[in-house]
Amino acid sequence: GESVGLHLPTLSVQEGDNSIINCAYSNSASDYFIWYKQESGKGPQFIIDIRSNMDKRQGQRVTVLLNKTVKHLSLQIAATQPGDSAVYFCAERTGANSKLTFGKGITLSVRP
Amino acid sequence: NAGVTQTPKFRVLKTGQSMTLLCAQDMNHEYMYWYRQDPGMGLRLIHYSVGEGTTAKGEVPDGYNVSRLKKQNFLLGLESAAPSQTSVYFCASLEDGQRAFFGQGTRLTVV
Repeated sequence: GESVGLHLPTLSVQEGDNSIINCAYSNSASDYFIWYKQESGKGPQFIIDIRSNMDKRQGQRVTVLLNKTVKHLSLQIAATQPGDSAVYFCAERTGANSKLTFGKGITLSVRP
Repeated sequence: NAGVTQTPKFRVLKTGQSMTLLCAQDMNHEYMYWYRQDPGMGLRLIHYSVGEGTTAKGEVPDGYNVSRLKKQNFLLGLESAAPSQTSVYFCASLEDGQRAFFGQGTRLTVV
């Protein structure tokens, strides 16, 4: 079947380099943000989340940064590996109505 | 295993036929969501529910109906399928303070 990543913006990085994936969100009332990874033919897979009372959160090889002033979210992946190749989505949740909406996604391609 | 289960995984419908997609979660989550995913469009929210007996419209609700009669189940219905509804459908559930879990998707083709 057609790849979920077709027609999406693509970020190409060299294996071992750090990757930075950016996301602009739309609702200043959003209070919870999530990064998901999706491989072809599979459902979205949770990577890391952050609440609006935080600026930064670190996981294993991943860091999420939140800039509420400019409504910007970024995902940093350290020492990118071939297994990181996938489509990455950011999602925002608005606490008032609990809507969970996604950005369009970015394809990460890791060069060997 | 705990998680979100979608049925069916694949389906082919003729234009005008109806069907119901089932999403079941066993984590006692309050919030449930239905999305459709098309190439280049990301995940778009169709309908969602903030609790048993409640539903609300998302970004692309037209042509779909939903019901949440039991907390663990969220049903997505297509009353009269159209080719434009060919897509991959994902269900998710969420609880305050926890992350969202996703089903593996339902690939629907309307011919």
